[in-house]
Formats: sequence, C-alpha cells, structure tokens
Amino acid sequence: DVKVTQSSRYLVKRTGEKVFLECVQDMDHENMFWYRQDPGLGLRLIYFSYDVKMKEKGDIPEGYSVSREKKERFSLILESASTNQTSMYLCASSLKRVWVEQYFGPGTRLTVT
Amino acid sequence: GIQVEQSPPDLILQEGANSTLRCNFSDSVNNLQWFHQNPWGQLINLFYIPSGTKQNGRLSATTVATERYSLLYISSSQTTDSGVYFCAVDVDSGAGSYQLTFGKGTKLSVIP
Repeated sequence: DVKVTQSSRYLVKRTGEKVFLECVQDMDHENMFWYRQDPGLGLRLIYFSYDVKMKEKGDIPEGYSVSREKKERFSLILESASTNQTSMYLCASSLKRVWVEQYFGPGTRLTVT
Repeated sequence: GIQVEQSPPDLILQEGANSTLRCNFSDSVNNLQWFHQNPWGQLINLFYIPSGTKQNGRLSATTVATERYSLLYISSSQTTDSGVYFCAVDVDSGAGSYQLTFGKGTKLSVIP
C-alpha cells in the first residue's frame, strides 16, 4: 500500500513565523503535490514537483515556497505565516505515468494566530 | 477554466440504500478521478476513470467522456461510506499540466 505521511496532524503558529510542513512518501513516486482545502473553496493546488529539485507553481503559490531535495520528501514552507494561511494542508504523490491517481496524506490542520 | 459540478451537494441515506452521485464537466478532459474524504479528513482515491466503467466491491463508476459526465454508484451503503465524494478532472490541454480541477463535492451521510 502507498503510504504518504505528513509531519504534523495539527499545528498552531504565530503570525510572522516561518513554518515548515513535511511530506514523505514510500512508493518511489515521481510526482508530489501540496494542496490547501478551505470550506467553500475546495481543494486548490499550491505547488507540485515532478522530479527532485523540480517544482511548478499551482493556482495559489503566493506566500509559499517548496523544497524537494530527495525523491521521497516534499516540503512546503510558509516564509512568514499569516492568518489567511490558516487551513487544512494536504500532500499527495503519484506515479508520472498515471499522475491523476494521487495518494494523499492525512493532512495538517494549520492555525495561524 | 473548466467547470466541474457535482450533484447533489448533500445526501442522507439509510444504511443499506443505494445512491448515484453525478459529476458534470464543461470541457473535454484527459483524465477523471473520484476521491472519498472520510470524516477525519483523509482523502482516498477510488477510481481512475477517464472513460468506461469500473467496479470495486460495492462501488462502481461510469464516465461518458463524449457527454461530459461521470457517475459514482454506491450500493448497499454502510456508515463507513459517510464523508465527501469529490471528482477531479484534468483538462485536455495536451500540455501535461499536472493540475487537477476538483468539484465541490457531495457530502454523504449514511445513518444506521
């Protein structure tokens, strides 16, 4: 079974802090994705990566950056957290050849106060 | 951009009942995926179904790409089926954009 893990289930940070969200997958997937999910807005793609050190912006990259130094790990960084970044963050991974068949982690519920 | 509409938005079922969830999309798509998000927030992928019909236990899905819709059937529903069902599509741009567009979901509640 594919396993995608995220570093925290719940996280509370203060405005202005630098926040790191980590995602690890164990199935040698080429692609990894970061989404945020908000009531009424659904899932929106922040960034994705199709290979080590490669990244592409999604729909809402502003205020975020990412890092993929190893194939199994994809990190989302909030450079200076703001209250409007309070959300559920979901990481996913997939094989390149069937990239839509994405496997999701359990999510991190981030609250910025 | 492409519009993805799911219906109904909310559905309450008695345990054991059957249901059909619908996903309409406004443009040609390369791919379509159904997901289930359980009440704890975990998203699980159910079917990769750009066209045709697939079955997995009590769940099955049909996509008619030429008519721009997909259906998810749940038979003999159980309380563990509760949650939100999403369909997500990849626009037929030919560019390999790696971006899925999600519908807003159907929230299913199965009561004992």
